Amino acid sequence: DQQVKQNSPSLSVQEGRISILNCDYTNSMFDYFLWYKKYPAEGPTFLISISSIKDKNEDGRFTVFLNKSAKHLSLHIVPSQPGDSAVYFCAASAGTYKYIFGTGTRLKVLA
Amino acid sequence: EAGVTQSPTHLIKTRGQQATLRCSPISGHTSVYWYQQALGLGLQFLLWYDEGEERNRGNFPPRFSGRQFPNYSSELNVNALELEDSALYLCASSPKTGGRETQYFGPGTRLLVL
Repeated sequence: DQQVKQNSPSLSVQEGRISILNCDYTNSMFDYFLWYKKYPAEGPTFLISISSIKDKNEDGRFTVFLNKSAKHLSLHIVPSQPGDSAVYFCAASAGTYKYIFGTGTRLKVLA
Repeated sequence: EAGVTQSPTHLIKTRGQQATLRCSPISGHTSVYWYQQALGLGLQFLLWYDEGEERNRGNFPPRFSGRQFPNYSSELNVNALELEDSALYLCASSPKTGGRETQYFGPGTRLLVL
């Protein structure tokens, strides 16, 4: 049972345009969400997080939106840059330490 | 500041053997987490250690075990290896017990079971 789903395995976007990565979850107890970025041969690195008490969090070019009623979160990258090409994982937790990760979306930003 | 390190980077074993994977957390971090990333799947939570104790484990059989040493480094042991154990094993550390702090990941150990 995949509690956190990233239904798009890959996404290609032109440099300078917006990248939108989506994530759906099923467990209504999840109250903290994160996005991680992973380059080949490296471990995932933290990108941005959002608590369920908020519906938006921004950090530079990265914005995460949370729609609790739809159990959906998305990551917007504006403007997209070639260096953003990586695999993006969303993760969710219900309480503390234990994160449930999605299967990842491979983003390719075309120059 | 040195990040999370893992060794070896690659490991090849045959079915039925045992594998030992090692992880050194970021200095000052007391919690270590292990994840398995099999092909086509997300990161699956395996184990959480803090202050030398196993705090929780994911839905994996008992042949997946580990320990945390007094210096907070950790070992993951996989006994009686099966072909489906082939995966990337990621270790992460965080500075507090059970907090919402993000987990900092190492580069992983790629295990191949033949």
